[in-house]
Amino acid sequence: GNSVTQMEGPVTLSEEAFLTINCTYTATGYPSLFWYVQYPGEGLQLLLKATKADDKGSNKGFEATYRKETTSFHLEKGSVQVSDSAVYFCALRSNDYKLSFGAGTTVTVRA
Amino acid sequence: KAGVTQTPRYLIKTRGQQVTLSCSPISGHRSVSWYQQTPGQGLQFLFEYFSETQRNKGNFPGRFSGRQFSNSRSEMNVSTLELGDSALYLCASSLGGLAGGNTDTQYFGPGTRLTVL
Repeated sequence: GNSVTQMEGPVTLSEEAFLTINCTYTATGYPSLFWYVQYPGEGLQLLLKATKADDKGSNKGFEATYRKETTSFHLEKGSVQVSDSAVYFCALRSNDYKLSFGAGTTVTVRA
Repeated sequence: KAGVTQTPRYLIKTRGQQVTLSCSPISGHRSVSWYQQTPGQGLQFLFEYFSETQRNKGNFPGRFSGRQFSNSRSEMNVSTLELGDSALYLCASSLGGLAGGNTDTQYFGPGTRLTVL
């Protein structure tokens, strides 16, 4: 079956530091890959996505590249802000109408 | 365009009761999915509906059920509530159908926080 593994948190950074959250996946076929973000007390917001190999998704300074050869979709941001403090979820969607999520990584950015 | 809306936002029930949660998708979206989020199990898929038909179902007991109406709005019902059903229930909508497939992007509502006492 499909599965997503992302790095354990929590991750604590200083403002303007570089952020990487690792995500690897196992899937049949050719899944689409997503990063969602969840702020305290809220639902999930789509951060970025990539639908085929070598695609790069980007939004709000975050980037992730769909690497089929390493089955990875690592999230990166060059300079984080306090407002980036949230829980980040990596997810994949195959042809079974559902998203499979990683466990989530809690990121805290300190001023 | 309005986002996905869920009602109510908070619910407190006691064991043995039943509960119905409602989800209104983004206008034009015909697929609605439900997920349960708990600290221990993370995000787990409950079921997905498209054009009033359930297309996929997760590994939850039969106490969890859902339906979708002709206007794409969806409800989920949990009967005989247990303490372990306490969770954030998230609804997501997407285009679905031929416009969907594995690239279909799901957009989430704010969730309903259910507490079972």
